[in-house]
Amino acid sequence: GAVVSQHPSWVICKSGTSVKIECRSLDFQATTMFWYRQFPKQSLMLMATSNEGSKATYEQGVEKDKFLINHASLTLSTLTVTSAHPEDSSFYICSATPSGSYEQFFGPGTRLTVL
Amino acid sequence: GESVGLHLPTLSVQEGDNSIINCAYSNSASDYFIWYKQESGKGPQFIIDIRSNMDKRQGQRVTVLLNKTVKHLSLQIAATQPGDSAVYFCAETGNQFYFGTGTSLTVIP
Repeated sequence: GAVVSQHPSWVICKSGTSVKIECRSLDFQATTMFWYRQFPKQSLMLMATSNEGSKATYEQGVEKDKFLINHASLTLSTLTVTSAHPEDSSFYICSATPSGSYEQFFGPGTRLTVL
Repeated sequence: GESVGLHLPTLSVQEGDNSIINCAYSNSASDYFIWYKQESGKGPQFIIDIRSNMDKRQGQRVTVLLNKTVKHLSLQIAATQPGDSAVYFCAETGNQFYFGTGTSLTVIP
């Protein structure tokens, strides 16, 4: 149980395009989902916390207009990287917390490469 | 949750040796601690957890030790195998969720 999926697993796009990444909790309802970014050989950096039905809370230094987060249902959160540039190339990981729990279950990650 | 984008400390061990990965936590109110393993190109996976009312918990080849006095958590891996090579993160949670920096473990065959 407690499986989180992400789609796509890898995306390559041209500079200036927008990319949407989906995060789904497959067998549980997640009131809270988290989006992380990870550069090679570095730890996870929390970008934002997403609560179902409300606006996401962004960490300091993360542009909310650049990284649009939508948590429209208890099983789906999306991260849209708008007008992507090569410096946005990274590994994006989501996690989901079941209702009433503090534990985070992680998705497999999405590798974004912006040319 | 919080985490810091720092370069990871590294640990190299010989195959068959025991590994000890350490983590310091900061929040005295944290009451649940988790160790995650992240292999290259994949998301973190749960390894083992421990609650604050315990000081030791054992799993298969892994043991977590909790010292609340000095706010220290450790993960011991017995008879380390090449497949154990990964980045290991600790996490603490109480009313918030915090990640440790992580440690990159390399197992030398």
